[in-house]
Amino acid sequence: SQQGEEDPQALSIQEGENATMNCSYKTSINNLQWYRQNSGRGLVHLILIRSNEREKHSGRLRVTLDTSKKSSSLLITASRAADTASYFCATDSMFSGGYNKLIFGAGTRLAVHP
Amino acid sequence: NAGVTQTPKFRVLKTGQSMTLLCAQDMNHEYMYWYRQDPGMGLRLIHYSVGEGTTAKGEVPDGYNVSRLKKQNFLLGLESAAPSQTSVYFCASSPLAGGLSGNTIYFGEGSWLTVV
Repeated sequence: SQQGEEDPQALSIQEGENATMNCSYKTSINNLQWYRQNSGRGLVHLILIRSNEREKHSGRLRVTLDTSKKSSSLLITASRAADTASYFCATDSMFSGGYNKLIFGAGTRLAVHP
Repeated sequence: NAGVTQTPKFRVLKTGQSMTLLCAQDMNHEYMYWYRQDPGMGLRLIHYSVGEGTTAKGEVPDGYNVSRLKKQNFLLGLESAAPSQTSVYFCASSPLAGGLSGNTIYFGEGSWLTVV
């Protein structure tokens, strides 16, 4: 079963605009991560936010985490055509046997038009 | 540095055939994973390994077997392929177990498998 649910499923914007994607999850987490997947490629790690953090920045990326609402958002500022990809949130929760594993949401497909 | 390498990249199987997907990582990571990705769904964990000689079931293990005879390799086997196993398969590895510090996972480029 999926832990993270991204919203919206698809997003289409113009270059230069900001893109905001949201992720909601169900159970307590240790951290939440965002990954990017270009068409036909593997996933690439973007940013990690720990459960005791509320906001984190990396270049044009801004991630927020609200553990009371069990939600996170990923903001990409000043988007570029090269940002076109699918974006996944992944929650890190305790797995049976004591080993953590990531559970991925279904992703948001972002299209940035020149 | 190649990272995580998967072979083959594309394969078409007939129902009932068997095959093995190979995964190799050169980052000396302890943890390795096999995921499948289906349209409209996120990645689902099939099996994982926390070290050489160990394997464990993930969310969707049925119909698959794995082996980790060497630390750098993680093999995924389909004993009798079914159309429901048509999917994109991703191998991944990570250096840590996770926890508050995080468990950043490094992915291969994917293997597209079609079962007809």
